[in-house]
Amino acid sequence: EVQLVESGGGLIRPGGSLRLSCTASGFTFMYSAMSWVRQAPGKGLEWVSSISGSGGSTYYADSVKGRFTISRDNSKNTLFLQMNSLRAEDTAVYYCAKAWLVRTGGMCWDYWGQGTLATVSS
Amino acid sequence: EIVLTQSPGTLSLSPGERATLSCRANQSISNNYLAWYQHKPGRAPRLLIYSASSRATGIPDRFSGSGSGTDFTLTISRLEPEDFAVFYCQQFGSTPNTFGQGTKLEIK
Repeated sequence: EVQLVESGGGLIRPGGSLRLSCTASGFTFMYSAMSWVRQAPGKGLEWVSSISGSGGSTYYADSVKGRFTISRDNSKNTLFLQMNSLRAEDTAVYYCAKAWLVRTGGMCWDYWGQGTLATVSS
Repeated sequence: EIVLTQSPGTLSLSPGERATLSCRANQSISNNYLAWYQHKPGRAPRLLIYSASSRATGIPDRFSGSGSGTDFTLTISRLEPEDFAVFYCQQFGSTPNTFGQGTKLEIK
């Protein structure tokens, strides 16, 4: 059974940093591209960042480029999102998601975690 | 960036009825790379349909997707009580991948 479990969310002040983790099980992690998708309170879903199976290729939404860094440790089946220079508009539930179909223009996701809430507020 | 507009915003139906949800793009989606997800509060989103019309693993055949280019539809042929949720379309034909704003399917 595929499981994705996010952790690391919490309350952080504007300008601060937070590191999210996602521990995966039930599939061959190193073969799967992975992504972070977020949902701000009362809003819809927003793609944040993606990473290839090897970790050699990374992609970011313009809204987080230069502030967020996605990475992975395939030896520990873990995905990370380092979030720096946080803003109030980064407040959201952050979901880790496993890629199902990967194409040149992007991907869709067949398994998602339950999410971890990051709140940026003074 | 491709903007996806879903309609209606809210759909009120009864179990057993047919649901038709629309997703319209402001430009053509490459290779019809359009997915649909179901999302319930506090739960993980669930992939229903990918590439416009292919059902994901384990998805009941009452869910079907259709459309091409800029106009796509998710149909639930006969609503079950567990189907009521928010539904999102998402395009992965071009970067950045974008989602529609969602359609809330509620029990009438």
